[in-house]
Amino acid sequence: QVQLQESGPGLVKPSETLSLTCTVSGDPITTTQSYWSWIRQPPGRPLEWIGSVYFSGTTYYSPSLTGRVSMSVDTSRSQFSLRLSSVTAADMAVYYCARGPSIALYRAWGQGTHVTVSS
Amino acid sequence: DIQMTQSPSSLSASVGDRVTITCRASQSIGTYLNWYQQKPGKAPNLLIHFASSLQSGIPSRFSGSGSGTDFTVTISSLQPEDFATYYCQQSHSSPYSFGQGTRLDI
Repeated sequence: QVQLQESGPGLVKPSETLSLTCTVSGDPITTTQSYWSWIRQPPGRPLEWIGSVYFSGTTYYSPSLTGRVSMSVDTSRSQFSLRLSSVTAADMAVYYCARGPSIALYRAWGQGTHVTVSS
Repeated sequence: DIQMTQSPSSLSASVGDRVTITCRASQSIGTYLNWYQQKPGKAPNLLIHFASSLQSGIPSRFSGSGSGTDFTVTISSLQPEDFATYYCQQSHSSPYSFGQGTRLDI
């Protein structure tokens, strides 16, 4: 059974870049028809899809974040990563990584990591 | 963007009750609708996909229905472990949006 674990700084300064990594275990990150996604949950607001990446490196981003977001996959380390630039208080959230059979369905989730934006 | 609206926002019920939560999409999404359950401090857990397909391992007391813009998830007989927050999510078109959640309390 696949397991996902987010890691990265819990505190980011405004205008800087948020960087998170998700480590995958229990199943190869190269499994076909597995898409790797980032989803966040700001306090008091709905869950928000940030984007998804396939092991080939193909990426899919939310239009509202395009220009600030980038994702990548490191198959040798069974990890995929999120970078979000120019963060503001609006980017404060619990960030989840997830896996699914498409970029729009999430069957397995990490436990989540809380990110605070503050100077 | 497609907006997802759930009702009610919160609901109080008792063990053994039958409960229905509604989700409405701002435009037709066919059956591209998923339901998740989230317990405090935990990640969401997929319950139902494509409006009515029960995810493997989910108890049969959960059921989903609907198409187009109006969807429901029903719990036929509430169990203590079902008290949680429920989210709908459309998988029709990007960005893949979620409802605001329905909190189910004892």
